[in-house]
Amino acid sequence: AQSVAQPEDQVNVAEGNPLTVKCTYSVSGNPYLFWYVQYPNRGLQFLLKYITGDNLVKGSYGFEAEFNKSQTSFHLKKPSALVSDSALYFCAVRTSKDSNYQLIWGAGTKLIIKP
Amino acid sequence: DTAVSQTPKYLVTQMGNDKSIKCEQNLGHDTMYWYKQDSKKFLKIMFSYNNKELIINETVPNRFSPKSPDKAHLNLHINSLELGDSAVYFCASSRLAGALGTDTQYFGPGTRLTVL
Repeated sequence: AQSVAQPEDQVNVAEGNPLTVKCTYSVSGNPYLFWYVQYPNRGLQFLLKYITGDNLVKGSYGFEAEFNKSQTSFHLKKPSALVSDSALYFCAVRTSKDSNYQLIWGAGTKLIIKP
Repeated sequence: DTAVSQTPKYLVTQMGNDKSIKCEQNLGHDTMYWYKQDSKKFLKIMFSYNNKELIINETVPNRFSPKSPDKAHLNLHINSLELGDSAVYFCASSRLAGALGTDTQYFGPGTRLTVL
């Protein structure tokens, strides 16, 4: 079965420190990977995606993610965290072998940035 | 300009009622979706729909039905509301459901449904 795992329910980081939000996946076929952010009482906002090519993908608000095929991971990173980065982050994957092309979602990771 | 909009933002109703949530996108997308986010923030796809095909998540009760008057709108009708229907419902859209699956989905702000 195809799945996405976000192993950490919550990640706490001090402002100014680097942050990593982890995501691993299990799919058949080529994965198409996405990160979204959800601020409190808001909808999901697209951050970045990996389709093909360079394994390091840069996205909105200074975030980036690295696709690692051997480790089946797509961790979200930022060199220096801001308090305003505090939010809920979702990883999602779609596979080239799924004719429905529906996204498979992780459970979300709550990121807390402390001043 | 709002890309994907939903109305109402909040909906409080009694069990057994029938209600609708409206969704509109001005992105020119061909495919629209409805998601349910429960109290633990899990996201569950309910439907995806373009002008050719409706794909229904088999776990969605048939009390829920999407209706699309045109390509820019996908409304969600819910009959005989139950307590367990309380959740946040998100509409989303993308260019094509196909296109090798690479298209990004864009989300509306959500509708918080509370069933009393």
